[in-house]
Amino acid sequence: NAGVTQTPKFRILKIGQSMTLQCAQDMNHNYMYWYRQDPGMGLKLIYYSVGAGITDKGEVPNGYNVSRSTTEYFPLRLELAAPSQTSVYFCASSPLGGGNGYTFGSGTRLTVV
Amino acid sequence: AQSVTQPDIHITVSEGASLELRCNYSYGATPYLFWYVQSPGQGLQLLLKYFSGDTLVQGIKGFEAEFKRSQSSFNLRKPSVHWSDAAEYFCAVGAYQAGTALIFGKGTTLSVSS
Repeated sequence: NAGVTQTPKFRILKIGQSMTLQCAQDMNHNYMYWYRQDPGMGLKLIYYSVGAGITDKGEVPNGYNVSRSTTEYFPLRLELAAPSQTSVYFCASSPLGGGNGYTFGSGTRLTVV
Repeated sequence: AQSVTQPDIHITVSEGASLELRCNYSYGATPYLFWYVQSPGQGLQLLLKYFSGDTLVQGIKGFEAEFKRSQSSFNLRKPSVHWSDAAEYFCAVGAYQAGTALIFGKGTTLSVSS
């Protein structure tokens, strides 16, 4: 029962570096989401996807990019890391959209120095 | 605007005492409501959800929540708190339409004192 798998769990980046946060799910869910969690701020939606080849911006998309070439994978790309992107990132998936609830990954803690 | 408000940032409850965490929402469509729990360093786990029907829903770990449409509230309760319940709790609202995403509150941190 893998569910939603995120890698890496921890990462330290230098300002201006780039990286890709990986997210994979094995439940054949159409809907996938990326959120960031900052202390006292809850979870904010970065990007989401309703199926392979279809993505859309959430509340805080600036500085990030996504792609969804297959149902299973939904990577999040940071092109030029900034200290403001220090956060915990969660990937989630759902079979039918937000009204059905999510299955979350365990998160990636990213620090930009 | 669509939003979820959790008025209490931090609550401390004695072990064995009852617990109520508050959640108010503002949402244009028929709301689907959720409570998630997050232990330190972990992801979010679904406690319970409300879609329709009985307004009192039961979840895992002995939690329950009551939906009150007139008050736009979905408060989480537990009759007797255990030390292992110390965590952060998030209320979320969504809709069943395709493509919608959950909107989360800012969370309530629960501490349990002995």
